[in-house]
Amino acid sequence: RKEVEQDPGPFNVPEGATVAFNCTYSNSASQSFFWYRQDCRKEPKLLMSVYSSGNEDGRFTAQLNRASQYISLLIRDSKLSDSATYLCVVNRNFGNEKLTFGTGTRLTIIP
Amino acid sequence: DTGVSQDPRHKITKRGQNVTFRCDPISEHNRLYWYRQTLGQGPEFLTYFQNEAQLEKSRLLSDRFSAERPKGSFSTLEIQRTEQGDSAMYLCASSLGDRSYNSPLHFGNGTRLTVT
Repeated sequence: RKEVEQDPGPFNVPEGATVAFNCTYSNSASQSFFWYRQDCRKEPKLLMSVYSSGNEDGRFTAQLNRASQYISLLIRDSKLSDSATYLCVVNRNFGNEKLTFGTGTRLTIIP
Repeated sequence: DTGVSQDPRHKITKRGQNVTFRCDPISEHNRLYWYRQTLGQGPEFLTYFQNEAQLEKSRLLSDRFSAERPKGSFSTLEIQRTEQGDSAMYLCASSLGDRSYNSPLHFGNGTRLTVT
């Protein structure tokens, strides 16, 4: 079983719609969680950290469920510029020493 | 722009040749990471340095791979006797951290290696 699992997609979603991704992780001792975004042929960039209480950044909401070991990302009012691959990232420590990435979920927003 | 820079951007080599990549992190960052990414996969951890000390290496890093960060600034990743399976994007990242804190990782644009 992979340490971090994501549905690779692709998700093709009309502009303005709401889309949600889930990610599961296998190591119950994992301590820190993130969503990264990667555009085609570009480097990954941090989208947001994921906190136990859930957190929101504009149109983006991240949730963590430790009991079920899954992380979610919700994008509201999707824009064309949201088209990218979204990487679920887990770390066994509170720091970033060894981030473990999922395979990524590819999202395409359709005009 | 004082982001993470990697050189070269692209490298094509024949199987069996040695290659070396360079990474220059953000200047005040004490941590430096190497990841490898193949098509359709997320980045896979290879190794990381805190200052000049190499603190962790992945099992993916076979004996043909070696990484150095001699002065705690730039880093090099060398692959000896390249194989076709080494073809991938090699990503470098840096961050600022200590035992209790780590800033987000900043990735470079990567070096794309093609082994023919």
